[in-house]
Amino acid sequence: DAGVIQSPRHEVTEMGQEVTLRCKPISGHNSLFWYRQTMMRGLELLIYFNNNVPIDDSGMPEDRFSAKMPNASFSTLKIQPSEPRDSAVYFCASSAANYGYTFGSGTRLTVV
Amino acid sequence: SQQGEEDPQALSIQEGENATMNCSYKTSINNLQWYRQNSGRGLVHLILIRSNEREKHSGRLRVTLDTSKKSSSLLITASRAADTASYFCATDAISGSRLTFGEGTQLTVNP
Repeated sequence: DAGVIQSPRHEVTEMGQEVTLRCKPISGHNSLFWYRQTMMRGLELLIYFNNNVPIDDSGMPEDRFSAKMPNASFSTLKIQPSEPRDSAVYFCASSAANYGYTFGSGTRLTVV
Repeated sequence: SQQGEEDPQALSIQEGENATMNCSYKTSINNLQWYRQNSGRGLVHLILIRSNEREKHSGRLRVTLDTSKKSSSLLITASRAADTASYFCATDAISGSRLTFGEGTQLTVNP
């Protein structure tokens, strides 16, 4: 298995632009998580899905952030419009029940 | 606020020495997990200890869990320079089904 695959690895965009981050979880994992990591705030859970259904999106900072999981093998996190304070590393992780998470390599987002 | 809090925030040791990192948490848990993150990379799952377990080993790693004190420790024996990384504890709370991470311990192993 190739693990959790995220794309792109790096994204530099101008303020106000739409950003879409993509994630392919490990086949057979029924939970998917989006985290954001910054020096100031550490690792923050943004949203997680169980069996493709969003369970808890209380960590999504604002309405500018949205996430979808149209099927078991794909999820997106969208920021529209993006702002400089959204600059961070965004991680996707997947897991099977009662097992550890497998993280992707992350997307480093820079909004200028 | 973070559920897990690691201690110390930073640790610097010589190769061959043991490294001990501690984690405290606040709510009742199903399990506690330790992860490692190399600079610029994703987190890697190291070990999971369930709430009814007190100690677990995996290679050079030893994890303990004291649910009465709501604390855990991660011991890395015979450390190597390649162990240099940030180490995070994460708790799977009974009240939810997602992990909450601490702020991590930055371990530096000097050759």
